[in-house]
Amino acid sequence: AQSVTQPDIHITVSEGASLELRCNYSYGATPYLFWYVQSPGQGLQLLLKYFSGDTLVQGIKGFEAEFKRSQSSFNLRKPSVHWSDAAEYFCAVGFTGGGNKLTFGTGTQLKVEL
Amino acid sequence: GAVVSQHPSWVICKSGTSVKIECRSLDFQATTMFWYRQFPKQSLMLMATSNEGSKATYEQGVEKDKFLINHASLTLSTLTVTSAHPEDSSFYICSAAYDSGTQETQYFGPGTRLLVL
Repeated sequence: AQSVTQPDIHITVSEGASLELRCNYSYGATPYLFWYVQSPGQGLQLLLKYFSGDTLVQGIKGFEAEFKRSQSSFNLRKPSVHWSDAAEYFCAVGFTGGGNKLTFGTGTQLKVEL
Repeated sequence: GAVVSQHPSWVICKSGTSVKIECRSLDFQATTMFWYRQFPKQSLMLMATSNEGSKATYEQGVEKDKFLINHASLTLSTLTVTSAHPEDSSFYICSAAYDSGTQETQYFGPGTRLLVL
């Protein structure tokens, strides 16, 4: 069965600093990969997704992610974090034949220090 | 585009009563809708998948008689928590997806917080 690991439960960065959130997956074939962000008490907003093609994916709010097949990773990056980026970030994986179900990681809570 | 709404956003009810939560796709037709439950500071747990016009598929361990799901149209799915008890208190989130010919992207609603007294 496929699984998703987000190794960092909490991350704190200073405003203006760069950010990288890690995501590793376990799946035998090429997965479909997503990053979502959740603000407190809110639903999830899609940041970006990878289905195929260029392994560097651009998303909303200045985020990008790179799919590295050799490392089974899909890390999320942002060059300069804003205080409004403080939220919970979830990596999710879908797979062919999965009925479009997603497997979510446990999430990374991002805190931004001013 | 791809906006999903949920109603209500908050609900407080007495133990033993039933609560209905609506999930609507506002600007697209959702061939599939998903219902999740999220406990504080935890990830999302998929409860069930519903396709328009057919019975929902429940995940292992989810009581189908407890959590009734109806997907009567391509824009509306409902989750009814029957005979609610305090342990059913949680944050319920729906998502909707449309068939784009490839892996569908799930778009999430804002969630419904249920408190059972």
